Amino acid sequence: QSVLTQPPSVSGAPGQRVTISCTGSSSNIGAGYDVNWYQQLPGTAPKVLIYGNSNRPSGVPDRFSGSKSGTSASLAITGLQTEDEADYYCQSYDSSLSGYVFGTGTKVTVL
Amino acid sequence: QVQLVQSGAEVKKPGASVKVSCKASRYTFTGYFLHWVRQAPGQGLEWMGWINPNSGGTNYRQEFQGRVTMTRDTSISTAYLELSGLRSDDTAMYYCARYLPSPYNSFDPWGQGTLVTVSS
Repeated sequence: QSVLTQPPSVSGAPGQRVTISCTGSSSNIGAGYDVNWYQQLPGTAPKVLIYGNSNRPSGVPDRFSGSKSGTSASLAITGLQTEDEADYYCQSYDSSLSGYVFGTGTKVTVL
Repeated sequence: QVQLVQSGAEVKKPGASVKVSCKASRYTFTGYFLHWVRQAPGQGLEWMGWINPNSGGTNYRQEFQGRVTMTRDTSISTAYLELSGLRSDDTAMYYCARYLPSPYNSFDPWGQGTLVTVSS
């Protein structure tokens, strides 16, 4: 049902770099709408991690970075830490649906 | 700290209705749209719609048209989500989230969530 596709899971050892892709289409990411990323720690509500494709709210470590190109976006986590184990969701707006859309979600596991 | 506090868990029978509240604090309630997002157990996030607390105007995801009603009471800075004709697949955690306009264009913060269980 989600119009933004993410890999179900990614994993890495502490200190490594992982990336999460978010693939959309010409009616959402490709149309120029901003992509945001949310982190959902186990049993908690989502929290904004990246807004406006590549901006971090205050308090978010610079280990997290976002980018966007064409109909896709990516979230990178460098220097992976155990506390980064969580679910991550991309989010944008879709003009065909006239509504907001979320990605399918990616579970990050720290090995 | 800006905060959204939601009402407690609900258990409902199929066909019933549920009303969830979301109380805002430490910001101007009428200044920001409020959105509702739900998450079925073990599943992803699904946007449901928004309410403009200032005007009361709403916009619902097409899939929920006819079953969802979003309202607000500005005197107590509280928004409400009512979902009728409940089915087992409506079992989910329901979140309210404030929408920050440009340049943020993102949901921040989120309420703690309200678990709605639909079971006979």
